[in-house]
Order: sequence, then structure tokens, then C-alpha cells
Amino acid sequence: GQQVMQIPQYQHVQEGEDFTTYCNSSTTLSNIQWYKQRPGGHPVFLIQLVKSGEVKKQKRLTFQFGEAKKNSSLHITATQTTDVGTYFCYLYNFNKFYFGSGTKLNVKP
Amino acid sequence: DSGVTQTPKHLITATGQRVTLRCSPRSGDLSVYWYQQSLDQGLQFLIQYYNGEERAKGNILERFSAQQFPDLHSELNLSSLELGDSALYFCASSVGTSLYGYTFGSGTRLTVV
Repeated sequence: GQQVMQIPQYQHVQEGEDFTTYCNSSTTLSNIQWYKQRPGGHPVFLIQLVKSGEVKKQKRLTFQFGEAKKNSSLHITATQTTDVGTYFCYLYNFNKFYFGSGTKLNVKP
Repeated sequence: DSGVTQTPKHLITATGQRVTLRCSPRSGDLSVYWYQQSLDQGLQFLIQYYNGEERAKGNILERFSAQQFPDLHSELNLSSLELGDSALYFCASSVGTSLYGYTFGSGTRLTVV
């Protein structure tokens, strides 16, 4: 069955440092989505990637879909305290939906 | 306000009881998804409805059931509750199926005592 690995589980950075989370799938994906969940909040949609090798940017956030469409990454440049939260990848395969385990980001001011 | 409304926000009930969680999707969205978030299991997909019909099923227990009504609101029924069912239950909605970003509600926190 489908397996989704997201690493790292936790990341503590100093404000201004960069941050990257990786999502790896055991199977080839048709698309992948990324969500952010603030402490005590609900997941909020960030982006969807569909094409092999696709790269999308949203201000300081860069999202990438691997060439083989089996992995994806989210990179934040120069983190800010507002980036605190848990970042999840989310994918659809074999008529089911899967969340990655999430990467919890803590940013020290 | 995301536009997805979940009620109640909090629910405390005893083991063996039955509860109903309600979700009103964002205006215009036809798909409704239910998820369970617990500390040990993370975010788990339970079930999806599209325009009143079940479309996809995840790790939903047999004690749990859901439906989507003609006005597109959805209800998740949890019965014979166990302590392990204590979790945050989210509903999300989207315009179509699978290829669109989802809008999440603020969740219902269920505590089984």
C-alpha cells in the first residue's frame, strides 16, 4: 500500500535561517499538496504541484515536485516567527488520501 | 473564517455513547472530506462525499459512518465510543474531487471519558 514519509519530524531554527521539509512517496503520484497548520489551528492549503519537476514560489516559500513524481520539498528562505507551525504534504493515490506525518517548525526570535 | 463551519467546537461524552458531528461546506463546494487528528496517529483521512455520494474511504472504523445531505452539509456519526476515539475531527470542502486545494473547518474536539 501507499507509504508517505515526511522528514524531519521537528526543526528548530533561529529566525532568519532557512528551513526545508521533504515528503517521499512509495509510489508515483499524480499530484501533491502542501498545508500549514498553526498551533491550535486547522490545516491551511498552501500549494498544489502536478507536473514532473515543477517548481512554484510563494514569496519566501519554494515548492518542488521531483522528476519522478515520488517526492516533494518545501523550502522557506529566511524564516520568520510567523512561519511557526506544522507543514504537511498531502497526496491522493488509489482512491485514498494521505497526509504526511508533518514537520513541526519552531522559529526562535 | 474559512467558510467551512463545524459544530460543535467541543464535545465531551462517555464511553459507549454516540455523537454526531456536523459540517457545512464552503458555498459552491460539492466535496466534503472528514479527517481525524490524534497525537499518536497524526492526520488520517476518513471519508469523502461528492454531491451526496460516497467517493472515497480511508481508515474509517465500522463504528463510524457519514452522509452528505441534499443541501450538501455532512454529518459524521461516531458510535460505541472508546477512549481512543478522543481526537480533533476536521471537515474540509473543495470545489471538485482530488485535484483542488481543500478548505478546512476549525474542527470539533471530541473527548471521550
